[in-house]
Amino acid sequence: EIVLTQSPGTLSLSPGERATLSCRASQSISSSYLAWHQQKPGQAPRLLIYGASSRATGIPDRFSGSGSGTDFTLTISRLEPEDFAVYYCQQHGSSPLMYTFGQGTKLEIK
Amino acid sequence: QVQLVQSGAEVKKPGASVKVSCKASGYTFTRHGMHWVRQAPGQRLEWMGWINAGNGNIKYSQKFQGRVTITRDTSASTAYMELSSLRSEDTAVYYCARDPYGDYSWYFDLWGRGTLVTVSS
Repeated sequence: EIVLTQSPGTLSLSPGERATLSCRASQSISSSYLAWHQQKPGQAPRLLIYGASSRATGIPDRFSGSGSGTDFTLTISRLEPEDFAVYYCQQHGSSPLMYTFGQGTKLEIK
Repeated sequence: QVQLVQSGAEVKKPGASVKVSCKASGYTFTRHGMHWVRQAPGQRLEWMGWINAGNGNIKYSQKFQGRVTITRDTSASTAYMELSSLRSEDTAVYYCARDPYGDYSWYFDLWGRGTLVTVSS
């Protein structure tokens, strides 16, 4: 089973700053199979990025995803107050069918 | 409004079963699959299984095979997840999450808000 490891565990930044979140896979995965989700307390998670770099519908362009192989990055170019949340990377495997998640990065206000 | 509305919190005793519902609205239910994902306290999100809401095809995570049953009622645009032989480790928030396609794809494009299931004697 592929394990996703996110870093850092917690990231403390101020509004207007740039955030860089990392997701490392224990073995190489197709970029098509890597997604990022955002979760705020008491709310449903929300899809941000799929296919490593494609923004989901309605997601602002300050969110971008990149990477390949085992190393993937979610970048938020200029933090808005509503961006402070927990972010999860997620990957898909097909034999057998499986979806796994990173442990999450909490983005908090500094 | 496109959304998934889940049933309310449950408290169950060890050994019992729980059935969580997920009602879809704002889109054609049968054109998408539905996944179930859970998150125990302090743990990662964990995928449990998937159903093609159109044809009823199902796949389960090997971890939950034999204990989980996913069904759907197309007339009610509702998916269900039933977990049996509950133990304390099953205490978690259970989410439904829509697949962008009928057959399973690579990600989830819409999530429910979650249902807290507490297993306690």
